[in-house]
Amino acid sequence: EVQLLESGGDLVQPGGSLRLSCAASGFAFSIYGMGWVRQAPGKGLEWVSSITNSGADTYYADFVKGRFTISRDNSKNTLFLQVNSLRAEDTAVYYCAKDKSRSLGPIFDYWGQGTLVTVSS
Amino acid sequence: QSALTQPASVSGSPGQSITISCTGTSSDIGRYHYVSWYQQHPGKAPKLMIFDVSDRPSGVSNRFSGSKSGNTASLTISGLQAEDEADYYCSSYTTSTTVLFGGGTKLTVL
Repeated sequence: EVQLLESGGDLVQPGGSLRLSCAASGFAFSIYGMGWVRQAPGKGLEWVSSITNSGADTYYADFVKGRFTISRDNSKNTLFLQVNSLRAEDTAVYYCAKDKSRSLGPIFDYWGQGTLVTVSS
Repeated sequence: QSALTQPASVSGSPGQSITISCTGTSSDIGRYHYVSWYQQHPGKAPKLMIFDVSDRPSGVSNRFSGSKSGNTASLTISGLQAEDEADYYCSSYTTSTTVLFGGGTKLTVL
């Protein structure tokens, strides 16, 4: 059974940083691309970033503008999102999602339950 | 880039069919076959319902179908059931190697 378990969300002040993690199990992690999608309270889904299976290529939404970095450790079946220079508008549940392809399908066929990032002073 | 355009809400009675539209541009929906649809129940993670415009993942009911014409994709749900009541989101790959989601459509089963 595919499982994706996010962690690392927290309450952080504007300008702060967090490192989100996603522990994957139940599938051959190193074969598939992965991504992060966020959802602000009461709002719709918003793609944040994706990474290819090897980690060689990364893709970001325009609003990230160098503040976020996606990475993965295939030896530990774990996906990461380093989020810096956080703003109030970054407040959201951040979902980890498995892509159906090796790269940017983008077909997110499995999702975690999300981790909440709250940016507030 | 702006989000893909979906109606805010649609409704239908049990047994009826409904269609949700998703309008983009020639740089996303109009250019690629990479349109997906997701279902999200309140407080739950999204679930993939349709990918590559019209393909269904294993386990998804054949009451769900997808299509595309020009810059607009559509999700049709036939034989509406109470459990179909949820939010639905479309997504598309873009020429900027990014992913766009629609604003979401709330489906109410009357």
